[in-house]
Amino acid sequence: DADVTQTPRNRITKTGKRIMLECSQTKGHDRMYWYRQDPGLGLRLIYYSFDVKDINKGEISDGYSVSRQAQAKFSLSLESAIPNQTALYFCATAQGRQETQYFGPGTRLLVL
Amino acid sequence: ILNVEQSPQSLHVQEGDSTNFTCSFPSSNFYALHWYRWETAKSPEALFVMTLNGDEKKKGRISATLNTKEGYSYLYIKGSQPEDSATYLCASTLIFGQGTTLQVKP
Repeated sequence: DADVTQTPRNRITKTGKRIMLECSQTKGHDRMYWYRQDPGLGLRLIYYSFDVKDINKGEISDGYSVSRQAQAKFSLSLESAIPNQTALYFCATAQGRQETQYFGPGTRLLVL
Repeated sequence: ILNVEQSPQSLHVQEGDSTNFTCSFPSSNFYALHWYRWETAKSPEALFVMTLNGDEKKKGRISATLNTKEGYSYLYIKGSQPEDSATYLCASTLIFGQGTTLQVKP
């Protein structure tokens, strides 16, 4: 079984809809992250959490919100989806500030 | 340097060639430099994490060096093989570079 899972893996939605992307991990890591990947732009950090109830904005947090319900779960919400949020979204986990990040399989989101 | 920058953006080499890429990062408030390998349709996977100036890491034909004073790291691949084809990402303090995409032709 995968250590970091994301659901759904693919999602098509319409402009204005609210959607949630879920991330779960069995690695026991404290730190969790949400990134988006756009062609030619690499990975950009949306939000991150160092522990339950700790939430920090990343480089591109506008239009997104997150919830860290438990150590193992970190959800990303798009309150009102817009077409330029079409991207590949990755969740990642890490233990400690310098530790390597472990990525989930990604969620491909299309906003029409 | 305020951002993490990688060069070249893409690279095409023949099987057996050796190659190297560069990652530049802010040298102030440095904690660690990570290299990841990202194959198409997969997730990024860790190659190396380096923390000390002068660090050198090696995994098979791939190696990396770190200079924290001047803010750069090199990734070397010796005798490239088609299975080395991937995008190689570096990251420092949660900031990722855009990656170097390597294509190795048989």
